[in-house]
Amino acid sequence: IAGITQAPTSQILAAGRRMTLRCTQDMRHNAMYWYRQDLGLGLRLIHYSNTAGTTGKGEVPDGYSVSRANTDDFPLTLASAVPSQTSVYFCASSDGDRGPTEQFFGPGTRLTVL
Amino acid sequence: GQNIDQPTEMTATEGAIVQINCTYQTSGFNGLFWYQQHAGEAPTFLSYNVLDGLEEKGRFSSFLSRSKGYSYLLLKELQMKDSASYLCAVMDSNYQLIWGAGTKLIIKP
Repeated sequence: IAGITQAPTSQILAAGRRMTLRCTQDMRHNAMYWYRQDLGLGLRLIHYSNTAGTTGKGEVPDGYSVSRANTDDFPLTLASAVPSQTSVYFCASSDGDRGPTEQFFGPGTRLTVL
Repeated sequence: GQNIDQPTEMTATEGAIVQINCTYQTSGFNGLFWYQQHAGEAPTFLSYNVLDGLEEKGRFSSFLSRSKGYSYLLLKELQMKDSASYLCAVMDSNYQLIWGAGTKLIIKP
């Protein structure tokens, strides 16, 4: 693995189903993030984690949950998917110990909820 | 509220120069980032400005004026591969990135 990986690449999901998007990084970055990107809107932060064992809510957290059991993994769960959660989801990480630094992004997961 | 404004779309000619503007109003300021995003791909980092002035990196330069809440990204000697969206993002007082909607740059031969 080099950088950040996400799985699946794309998914079509029936409304009401539970879905977990996976994210793994091998850069030993402390901070990780989940964004959604919708046409005409900027990236919006869903949840973040500044270090393993801690998580926080972003701008649009409702309907999503995260966990950070270790440094490398940061899964995002949709407990009961709704059509408005159709979006492209990006996971990102940064080396937060060095102050404001760039975020590195995974390739994204394209999710369609029907 | 927090707000990042940038033009939705711009068109330029191969070999020319283009300037993409970004204005912002945020709660606190810990730097401004520019990212490039090709269609269907992830954003990739281009530049970071935290002090006023111009930062040059090859064909790309980024300028910041904190007093005016303004930045621009300057792309010189445009190439077809520069066709992409350019995202402006400000790091606020909580060290979270606030993103603009992006500027789609179309390069014509």
